[in-house]
Formats: sequence, C-alpha cells, structure tokens
Amino acid sequence: EDKVVQSPLSLVVHEGDTVTLNCSYEVTNFRSLLWYKQEKKAPTFLFMLTSSGIEKKSGRLSSILDKKELFSILNITATQTGDSAIYLCAPNYGGSQGNLIFGKGTKLSVKP
Amino acid sequence: EPEVTQTPSHQVTQMGQEVILRCVPISNHLYFYWYRQILGQKVEFLVSFYNNEISEKSEIFDDQFSVERPDGSNFTLKIRSTKLEDSAMYFCASKWERSAFFGQGTRLTVV
Repeated sequence: EDKVVQSPLSLVVHEGDTVTLNCSYEVTNFRSLLWYKQEKKAPTFLFMLTSSGIEKKSGRLSSILDKKELFSILNITATQTGDSAIYLCAPNYGGSQGNLIFGKGTKLSVKP
Repeated sequence: EPEVTQTPSHQVTQMGQEVILRCVPISNHLYFYWYRQILGQKVEFLVSFYNNEISEKSEIFDDQFSVERPDGSNFTLKIRSTKLEDSAMYFCASKWERSAFFGQGTRLTVV
C-alpha cells in the first residue's frame, strides 16, 4: 500500500534544464511535507512545507504544497551535475510530533 | 552546525549475532527515529522514541529489535540474532519542530 507516490521514478536531463519532481500522498493527520536530497548516504533536508500555495525557495530549488489535492512539487532550475541525486518526499503525519513516511524517490541524473 | 552522528559507519556481523547501532542526536532535539534502507529500496520507518519510551513502531520492528537511550545522549538500536535480510543502511534521525535531520547511517552487512 503506497501512501506516497513520487514521479517520475527516474529522470535524465542535461545541465541547464529545468525539472519538476512530483509527490502525491495520502496520510491521516497530515502535519507537513518534507523534501530531502539523498546522494551517497543520508537524506539531507531541503524543505519543509506546511501551508498550501506558499512557495519555498532555496537558490535554484523551490517547492510548493497543495493540501487540497494532496500534492507537492519540487522544481530545480538551471540544473547542474551536482544536482544528481535521489529526491525524497516525506509527509510528516500522525499524533504527537508525528512520523515520516518516504516515497521511493525520484532519481535525477544531470548530464554535462 | 549541529548534526546527528552515527557509529559505526559500517558493521559486518555473522548471522545470529547481536549488533548495537549507535546514534548521538542533535542535543536540543526531543524526538528520535530509526529508519532503514535496504539497497535499492525506499527508506522505511522502524521506530520513534520520545521521553524515554517508544512512541510508534512499524511492523518491521518486531521482538528482534529494541531501542534505548542509556545515558541521555546516545540513542541505540539493538538487533538480536541478526538475519541476512537485516542487511541494510540504518539511519538515525532527530527532530526539532517539524524538521527531521538524519545521520550518515550505519551500513549493516550480515554474512
């Protein structure tokens, strides 16, 4: 039972391209949605989204959440080879401080 | 910048042996987690821990597993009688407000 679906699963682009990564989720007691970048080892935190329609930006990366449609996107503009990684979407849900459930990720490969 | 640290980075153990994976969460965080990632698969939740007790655990976290915060700083995951299928990357995470930060992981190889 997939509660978090990311698409595409894999993407190959060239440097300078813009990419959009998608995440749809279905969880109870939704609290927030987190995006992570996973290169060789641990997921590194990118964004936390709690409100619909408010874009979060960090350099060339931006993300937005739609709580009505249960959907989030991560945009990367002017991609660089260093952006090559697996991008993970993780809704934070449940009681107390909640828990994270991860999607399978989108594997992004940026070619020179 | 504070970070979650995990030791060892790589552990090789024989099937049936017990292993203890160690984590030092970020000092002012209160919520701690263990996740695992089998090679090529997605990150899976194992257990969450707050106020010196388990908050939530997944189906994976059976009697073979236990967690402890023995001294107020370390957070350990013990796997008793390891099986081949326990081979995975184990990540510790600690949480402040709604953002969770991960350690670099321990790669466990059961042979």
